Amino acid sequence: GIQVEQSPPDLILQEGANSTLRCNFSDSVNNLQWFHQNPWGQLINLFYIPSGTKQNGRLSATTVATERYSLLYISSSQTTDSGVYFCAVRGGSEKLVFGKGTKLTVNP
Amino acid sequence: GAGVSQTPSNKVTEKGKYVELRCDPISGHTALYWYRQSLGQGPEFLIYFQGTGAADDSGLPNDRFFAVRPEGSVSTLKIQRTERGDSAVYLCASSFGTDTQYFGPGTRLTVL
Repeated sequence: GIQVEQSPPDLILQEGANSTLRCNFSDSVNNLQWFHQNPWGQLINLFYIPSGTKQNGRLSATTVATERYSLLYISSSQTTDSGVYFCAVRGGSEKLVFGKGTKLTVNP
Repeated sequence: GAGVSQTPSNKVTEKGKYVELRCDPISGHTALYWYRQSLGQGPEFLIYFQGTGAADDSGLPNDRFFAVRPEGSVSTLKIQRTERGDSAVYLCASSFGTDTQYFGPGTRLTVL
């Protein structure tokens, strides 16, 4: 089945810093979603981005489907950005396959 | 409108007992998914419903796990003869067609 790798596994930032999270996947995909899992465990949708670039406030994402990767950019990070960021893809079936996540800690 | 809701939020049971976990999807969403998340891992797929039927149950770990969606809306995940290894957060998601999946808050299951 399709494999999803996320890097880095852990990231510690000072408030105000920028960061880039990466997601590599092993096969062509029909769907790619980025999620933020908050400290209470809720998975919050950030982007639905099987290809192209999208922006939402301080967050933006780019997926290059032909090269099988996606990037999530966080600018001017805030302490509330802390949590785990997951990339999930859908290939030939309807299920989402998740990576192991990037744990982000933003210190004040 | 309301998001995906799941009940109970926490469930503690003893090894060997039977449990039921409930999911209420977003109104109008035709597809419903169950995932399981162990500590430090990403969610893993269990089963997918399109309408009332289970279109893909390839992620169910064994025959102790079963799920139903009798009227094409609410779904129940049923676990028989629970084992300590079943302890995890069980997540439900719904979508309209095969579009963006929206997740509920999860049920934390602890098997003692």
